[in-house]
Amino acid sequence: AQKITQTQPGMFVQEKEAVTLDCTYDTSDPSYGLFWYKQPSSGEMIFLIYQGSYDQQNATEGRYSLNFQKARKSANLVISASQLGDSAMYFCAMTPGGTNAGKSTFGDGTTLTVKP
Amino acid sequence: DTGVSQDPRHKITKRGQNVTFRCDPISEHNRLYWYRQTLGQGPEFLTYFQNEAQLEKSRLLSDRFSAERPKGSFSTLEIQRTEQGDSAMYLCASSLVYLEGAVYNEQFFGPGTRLTVL
Repeated sequence: AQKITQTQPGMFVQEKEAVTLDCTYDTSDPSYGLFWYKQPSSGEMIFLIYQGSYDQQNATEGRYSLNFQKARKSANLVISASQLGDSAMYFCAMTPGGTNAGKSTFGDGTTLTVKP
Repeated sequence: DTGVSQDPRHKITKRGQNVTFRCDPISEHNRLYWYRQTLGQGPEFLTYFQNEAQLEKSRLLSDRFSAERPKGSFSTLEIQRTEQGDSAMYLCASSLVYLEGAVYNEQFFGPGTRLTVL
């Protein structure tokens, strides 16, 4: 079974500063994908960034980067230069490969508040 | 806009009634997922389809729940004899997966259907 743990229910960050949102995972699958999604108050889930378990380099997408530490089973999201519009709920998710592919497991999320 | 759409956006029903939700995925996507999200929690997987075949159902999906994806296009999720515990946001997502077992599976989510059971 797969499990995603996000230990920070809420985080605050000052506008223009960087923030790290934590995510640890547990799986016995040798291949898997890790995802981060943003859910604003409107409710829609927005894909941010992806990291494959065999990827050698950490993923980056604009102001988002994923700090992937495979041995520690962690996949933390780093948001640089925070903006007021970054205030939202953030979910870490995992999709296993192989015969389990397709079923995604989500963490319980972190609420990020960006202060002006 | 050709994103994932869901209908209705909100549904209020009385306990014991049946409800049906519809999801229209992105047209070229071969996979379609249903999730349930309760307040303060992440989405919980319910079921998913590869084209018209339902490949997996979660243990969360009791026999009161049924999902279909006829012709591999839109999907419906029906809940029979609704209970107050069914109140939640029901999210639909779709993705395009080329290879069996592929892990890159970016899912595009719809706006959700919020169900309230009185």
